[in-house]
Formats: sequence, C-alpha cells, structure tokens
Amino acid sequence: ETGVTQTPRHLVMGMTNKKSLKCEQHLGHNAMYWYKQSAKKPLELMFVYSLEERVENNSVPSRFSPECPNSSHLFLHLHTLQPEDSALYLCASSQDRGAGYEQYFGPGTRLTVT
Amino acid sequence: GQNIDQPTEMTATEGAIVQINCTYQTSGFNGLFWYQQHAGEAPTFLSYNVLDGLEEKGRFSSFLSRSKGYSYLLLKELQMKDSASYLCAAETDSWGKLQFGAGTQVVVTP
Repeated sequence: ETGVTQTPRHLVMGMTNKKSLKCEQHLGHNAMYWYKQSAKKPLELMFVYSLEERVENNSVPSRFSPECPNSSHLFLHLHTLQPEDSALYLCASSQDRGAGYEQYFGPGTRLTVT
Repeated sequence: GQNIDQPTEMTATEGAIVQINCTYQTSGFNGLFWYQQHAGEAPTFLSYNVLDGLEEKGRFSSFLSRSKGYSYLLLKELQMKDSASYLCAAETDSWGKLQFGAGTQVVVTP
C-alpha cells in the first residue's frame, strides 16, 4: 500500500449507531488531518494531529471523536450522528505541521446518516 | 473572518486555455495552494505559491499577488482528463492551516 488509505470507502449508519473511520498513511509523515467535505462547500478542517498529539480542534461537535494511536494511523469515532453529518470525510497527512508542507489526501469515506 | 472566492464552474474546449481565479481575505496569510480533485477521488497537489509572481509547471501555471489577495491557476492545452474540480486554499498561519475555497468545476468538451 502506498500513500494515504481510508476505510471504509462508503458507510451508511443510523443516528443511534456507533462506527469508526480509519486512515493509514504509508509516507512516514508526522502530521495528520481530518476534513469534512459537503457538496458545493469548502473543505472544513476538523482535527489536526502532530506527532500523535491533537493540536487543533475546529469547534467540532463531541459526537465526532478522533484518535491517533501512532503516527501512521488516525481514527474518527462516530456516535449519535445527525443527518447533516452526511458528507465525504477526508484524511490527509503532511511531512510535518508547518507552512509550505503539501498535504496528501486519502480517497475519503462517503458517510450517509439515515 | 476568512473568505476564499472562486468561480463555481468553467467550461472550455480541448486544446484551449482556462484561467481559474481565486481571491482571498484571511486574517493571516502565508501562501496559496492549488489542488485538483477528480470526482470520487482524493484531492492532489498542483502548486504552492508563497512569493508574488508566476510559477510554471508544465501545462499548469499558478500566479500570486499578495498585495491584491489574488491568485490564478492557468491550464494550457486542455485535455479531457483535466475535467475536475480545482481547489484554491490559503495557508492562514505559520502552522500550515488551510482555508479552502468551494472549488471550481472545470468541464472540458471535445
């Protein structure tokens, strides 16, 4: 595997379910990101991890809970979501956190909340 | 506040040139990224401008004017595979935080 991978690619869940999104990067990067992409809207930064430490939380509701057990893996735990949370969730990584570092994106998880 | 504006959609024919404009108003600014995103795929890096001027990379060029809060991405010799969404993203602090525009959907017709 190369680059940034995400599983599952598609997820349908009810509002009372609990599920997790997984991201793995094979690039040896130190920073990882979660973004939300809704139709016709800009990518919204949700969380940033640098060297496994959460360094940014962009006012994200507590029903989204990130976890970074090591520098290669990032999870987004989901519980009691709302229909408006339906979106494409993108994971990204960069060599380090700082200006000028290109972010490498995964293909995303298409989430539908019913 | 943070505001990144780019056109919603542009259409051009194969072999032509298209220029995608992006204006930004952000509380901080370090540099400007352009990403390409094909439908159902991950965004991929195209260019990064931190100094004023034009950066050329093959068929794609990107321009930045910091004083005007303006950038453009120039796509030359358009090919069908260039049909995609092009995302403008302003780097708003020294930690590399990105503020994205909503993307410009480029449609290339035969």
